[in-house]
Amino acid sequence: EAAVTQSPRSKVAVTGGKVTLSCHQTNNHDYMYWYRQDTGHGLRLIHYSYVADSTEKGDIPDGYKASRPSQENFSLILELASLSQTAVYFCASRETANERLFFGHGTKLSVL
Amino acid sequence: QQQVRQSPQSLTVWEGETAILNCSYEDSTFNYFPWYQQFPGEGPALLISIRSVSDKKEDGRFTIFFNKREKKLSLHITDSQPGDSATYFCAASEGTNSAGNKLTFGIGTRVLVRP
Repeated sequence: EAAVTQSPRSKVAVTGGKVTLSCHQTNNHDYMYWYRQDTGHGLRLIHYSYVADSTEKGDIPDGYKASRPSQENFSLILELASLSQTAVYFCASRETANERLFFGHGTKLSVL
Repeated sequence: QQQVRQSPQSLTVWEGETAILNCSYEDSTFNYFPWYQQFPGEGPALLISIRSVSDKKEDGRFTIFFNKREKKLSLHITDSQPGDSATYFCAASEGTNSAGNKLTFGIGTRVLVRP
């Protein structure tokens, strides 16, 4: 079974601080995604990547950076965390020729 | 602007009943429609999907009905079980032809099945 692991599972950050969320996949998938989930908004795409050392903007990239140093790892970086970035963040991966997404368990981020 | 709309936001059914979840979309270029199931504290997982060339897709107790002309689809859960209690997301994309195959998700329908 495909495996996507996220760390940490939860985090409390201070406004203006830097936050890094990590994602690791053992699926050997090319594509990786970062989504945020908020009540009333469902899942919204922040950034994605289809190859190492390259990232693409999703639908809501403002305030976020992404890094794909290897095929297995994909990070989401909040340089200056804000209250509005409090949410649950999900990482996902998929094969190039398959549309099925495999999600991690999520990271609950609270910015105070 | 919500490109994928879901209704109702929450739904309660008795065990054994059929739960009907609705979804509609705006973008006529969408051709792939998966439904993801999410349990509390977990990530979403693919439940069932359909492509726009089909009008029905069945997998056990889960069936998608698709109306391309009206840009609507629905997920029917027959003989609902308490273990089906979860949030269900309708999503849409242009398929693997689009850059990144970006999925657009609805806000979800929370389903509670009472024993």
